[in-house]
Amino acid sequence: SQQGEEDPQALSIQEGENATMNCSYKTSINNLQWYRQNSGRGLVHLILIRSNEREKHSGRLRVTLDTSKKSSSLLITASRAADTASYFCATDAAAGNKLTFGGGTRVLVKP
Amino acid sequence: KAGVTQTPRYLIKTRGQQVTLSCSPISGHRSVSWYQQTPGQGLQFLFEYFSETQRNKGNFPGRFSGRQFSNSRSEMNVSTLELGDSALYLCASRTANYGYTFGSGTRLTVV
Repeated sequence: SQQGEEDPQALSIQEGENATMNCSYKTSINNLQWYRQNSGRGLVHLILIRSNEREKHSGRLRVTLDTSKKSSSLLITASRAADTASYFCATDAAAGNKLTFGGGTRVLVKP
Repeated sequence: KAGVTQTPRYLIKTRGQQVTLSCSPISGHRSVSWYQQTPGQGLQFLFEYFSETQRNKGNFPGRFSGRQFSNSRSEMNVSTLELGDSALYLCASRTANYGYTFGSGTRLTVV
């Protein structure tokens, strides 16, 4: 079963706009990770935020984590057509050596 | 370093047959995880191996099995294939900072 939900399920924006997607989860975590997937291919690791961190940046990506609300958000600034993909959040729980994925957000960036 | 290598990329099998998928992790990585991705169930954890030992297993029937060799290469086997086993099977190698590097996947179609 999946750990949580991602919102929205799909997002369509113009190139240059920002894209924000949210992820909620259910159990305690060690860290939360975001991945990108292009057209059913492998997952690409984007960013990892640990449970004791509240915000993290990597290039045009900004991730926030609110452990009290069990939620995270991913912001992609100044989006490009190449950002068109599905984005997944995944939680790494305190024990288990596994990732539990959300359902994903499909992002379409129109040129 | 080379990435995670999965073979074959595509596979078509008939119901009732068995299949073996292969994964070579990043050189030096001893943890290998397997995930199944379907449109209906999303990304689900199958199992994780570390130094030839299965450390965790997802909620899949016994028809799904795996193993890891001394060189960290891993195989997963699905016996008595069902139509519902059609999926993208992803293998991942865990990095030192707890992020995962995924292979490009094996797309299995059961007819």
